[in-house]
Amino acid sequence: LAKTTQPISMDSYEGQEVNITCSHNNIATNDYITWYQQFPSQGPRFIIQGYKTKVTNEVASLFIPADRKSSTLSLPRVSLSDTAVYYCLVLNSGGYQKVTFGTGTKLQVIP
Amino acid sequence: GAVVSQHPSWVICKSGTSVKIECRSLDFQATTMFWYRQFPKQSLMLMATSNEGSKATYEQGVEKDKFLINHASLTLSTLTVTSAHPEDSSFYICSASRTSVETQYFGPGTRLLVL
Repeated sequence: LAKTTQPISMDSYEGQEVNITCSHNNIATNDYITWYQQFPSQGPRFIIQGYKTKVTNEVASLFIPADRKSSTLSLPRVSLSDTAVYYCLVLNSGGYQKVTFGTGTKLQVIP
Repeated sequence: GAVVSQHPSWVICKSGTSVKIECRSLDFQATTMFWYRQFPKQSLMLMATSNEGSKATYEQGVEKDKFLINHASLTLSTLTVTSAHPEDSSFYICSASRTSVETQYFGPGTRLLVL
C-alpha cells in the first residue's frame, strides 16, 4: 500500500487559489490517486481522481507529475465553505481495495 | 448519481444494548461496502469490508462478534454494534462502490453515543 503524506493544515484567504500537495513515493503502476473532502460530522465527499498528468472537473484540478510520486489538488478561488479536511488516497485498480486514510489536510479559509 | 444514505443519522443508547446502522446505495448497485469509524479530530479508520453475499473481512483489532456486518443485497449493508459500551461512542461512516476496485462513495455518517 502506498503511504501518503500531506501537510496537516493550511490557511488561505477567500478568493485565492489553494494548492494542496500529497506525497506518495511508493505508488505502484496500477495505483491511482483520489481526493476527498470532509466537513465536520459528515462523510467524505469525492472530489477528483486521476492517474497521470492533469485532470479537471467543475470543482478542482489534479496535477500529477510524470513520476507520479506526488500529486497536487488545486482549488480555484476558495470560499469560506471550502473550509474542510482534504484527504489524498492512493488506490489500486488491479485488485482488492483496502483504503487507508492518512491525516488529511485541514484547510482553513479566512475572510 | 452515486448517493449513499445512512440511517439513523444519530443514536443514543444505554450501555449493554445493541444498535443497528443501515447503509444504502440509492442509485447504484454496490458489490462492495466498507465500514469506517472516526473519533473526534482523527482520521477515518477502516473497520471492515463486505461483499454482497459474502462474510465481511474485518481489519486487525476489530472484533467481528461485536461489530456484526450483513450485506444481504446490492443496495443494503448493516452494521450492528452488539452490547455497546461508552468506548464504542464514535462516528460510523459507510461507503459503497460498484466493484471492489472502483471509487468509493460515502454515506453521511451515524453518530453513536453510548451512555
